[in-house]
Amino acid sequence: QSALTQPASVSGSPGQSITISCTGTSSDVGGYNYVSWYQQHPGKAPKLMIYEVSNRPSGLSNRFSGSKSGNTASLTISGLQAEDEAYYYCSSYTTYNTLHWVFGGGTKLTVL
Amino acid sequence: EVQLVESGGGLVQPGGSLRLSCVASGFTFSSYSMNWVRQAPGKGLEWVSYISSSSSTIYYADSVKGRFTISRDNAKNSLYLQMNSLRAEDTAVYYCARGRNYPDYWGPGTLVTVSS
Repeated sequence: QSALTQPASVSGSPGQSITISCTGTSSDVGGYNYVSWYQQHPGKAPKLMIYEVSNRPSGLSNRFSGSKSGNTASLTISGLQAEDEAYYYCSSYTTYNTLHWVFGGGTKLTVL
Repeated sequence: EVQLVESGGGLVQPGGSLRLSCVASGFTFSSYSMNWVRQAPGKGLEWVSYISSSSSTIYYADSVKGRFTISRDNAKNSLYLQMNSLRAEDTAVYYCARGRNYPDYWGPGTLVTVSS
């Protein structure tokens, strides 16, 4: 089972919107509504940004939104801010083999 | 406030062993499934192992099966990972993460370096 597929990098200017895709299979992304997204700054632990495809944790900015179509999930960040520059990882629950969670390879977001 | 704090990492020679610990606070530890997730230097996240709240269900990634053992002590609000027969490719920051269907809280991690 390969990791979920994410673009290596995306970029945008302050105030713009960007979307990061996350492609899996029917054994993970397409089969369950347990897709989550994480923000990770260098040297820090991942932080939950979206859970169960499109839900935001309490207190998180509504600039972050998630969706899913078939085997591909997406994270959209609107109104880009400098502090959004970080790595973003998607994750999905899976029942493939003995895996429990599978992660994407990560996307580096650069705010120009 | 939910807090997870890992410890026990360090430098170990190939073939050696280490035991990682994670102490939880701010929530009812005995009600939650827990996991270990690792991140090799400059790489992405890799799920390692899962344990249910009562320890009745345990899963391992193929890459560590037979070498790593996950356990927990609900009386001590603690999660453990016994790592044996360590290899260079096990070098990573190891995070404990709470959750069954998705990880919602993560500790700051502990670095394990396997090198001679």
